[in-house]
Parts: sequence; C-alpha cells; structure tokens
Amino acid sequence: DVKVTQSSRYLVKRTGEKVFLECVQDMDHENMFWYRQDPGLGLRLIYFSYDVKMKEKGDIPEGYSVSREKKERFSLILESASTNQTSMYLCASSLLQRDRGAYEQYFGPGTRLTVT
Amino acid sequence: QKEVEQNSGPLSVPEGAIASLNCTYSDRGSQSFFWYRQYSGKSPELIMFIYSNGDKEDGRFTAQLNKASQYVSLLIRDSQPSDSATYLCAVIPWGNDYKLSFGAGTTVTVRA
Repeated sequence: DVKVTQSSRYLVKRTGEKVFLECVQDMDHENMFWYRQDPGLGLRLIYFSYDVKMKEKGDIPEGYSVSREKKERFSLILESASTNQTSMYLCASSLLQRDRGAYEQYFGPGTRLTVT
Repeated sequence: QKEVEQNSGPLSVPEGAIASLNCTYSDRGSQSFFWYRQYSGKSPELIMFIYSNGDKEDGRFTAQLNKASQYVSLLIRDSQPSDSATYLCAVIPWGNDYKLSFGAGTTVTVRA
C-alpha cells in the first residue's frame, strides 16, 4: 500500500511565524503535490514537484515556497504565516502510469493549520 | 468559469437507492477523469478513474464519461450509510501530465 505521511495533524501558529509542513511518501513516486482545502473552494494546488529539486507553481503559490531535496520528501514552507493561510493542507504523491493514460494521486492524512 | 463543476449537494438518498453524481468540465481536451471519496475529517481516496467514453463499473460504482458533452458522472448502486461522504470529481486538463483540477465536491448522505 502507498503510504503518504505528514508531520502534523494539527498545528497552531502565530501571524508572522515561518511554518514548515513536511510530507514523506514511501512508494518511490516521482510526483508530489501540496494542496489546501477550504470549504466551498475544494482542493487547490499550491505547488508540485516532478523530480528532486524540481518544482512548479500551482494555482495559488503566493505566500508559499517548497523544497524537495530527496525523492521521498516534499516540504511546504509558509514564509510569514497569515490568518488567511488557516486551512487544511494535503500532500499527495503519484506515479504517472502512461500506459493506462490514468494518473492516481495518493493523499496523506492532512494537516489542519490555524494561524492566529 | 471553473474548470470542474459539481453540485455541492447535499444529496440525500435512502439506503438501497441509487445515488447519481454529476460533474462537468470546461477543457474539451481533458483526457483522464477521477472520482475521489472523502469522509469527514479524512483525506481523499481514489475510488474510480475513467478515460474512455462510456461506462466503467467497479462493484457498486459506475463511472460514465461523455466527452462530447463534457460531463462525467458517478452512480452508486445499493447505497449504504457507509457511502455517506463528499465525492470529488477531478480532471487532467489537456497538455498537463501532472496536475489534477478538482471540483468542490458533492456531499452525499445515505439515510438508513
């Protein structure tokens, strides 16, 4: 079974703090993703990485950065946390299965971040 | 226009009935389509994918894809209380090998 783990289930931080969210997958997947999920807005992609040290911006990258130094680990960094970054953060990983044309993402349990 | 649109629900069905969920997408070149289930407080889990026009069945679930009309649907037969969850539709837009675009989800409640 694919396993994606995230460093914290719940996190409370103060405005202006630097926040690190860690994600680790154990299935040797090339692709890793960070989403945030908010009521009524669904899942929105923040950043993704398709290889070590490679990253691309998603739909809402402002206020975030990422790091991927090892294949199994993908970190999301909030440089200066703000209250509008209070959200559920979900990490996912995938292996592109080109022969089927399908593409399955496996999600971690999520981190509920509250910024006060 | 959002890339992927779903009725937010809630969709309430009696136990044993068929739950029908719909999803429309804006990018006509989209290639692959997914349905995820998300229980309250949990992360999404993949239940089905489809990439050819027509129906695909897996147990009590059937995914239907109509690329000409740009919609994909999910049928849940013999609905059970354990099917109560939010169902997310996701699409890979054209020319995009990596990124999924998600709908906001439809909440389903199965009444015992």
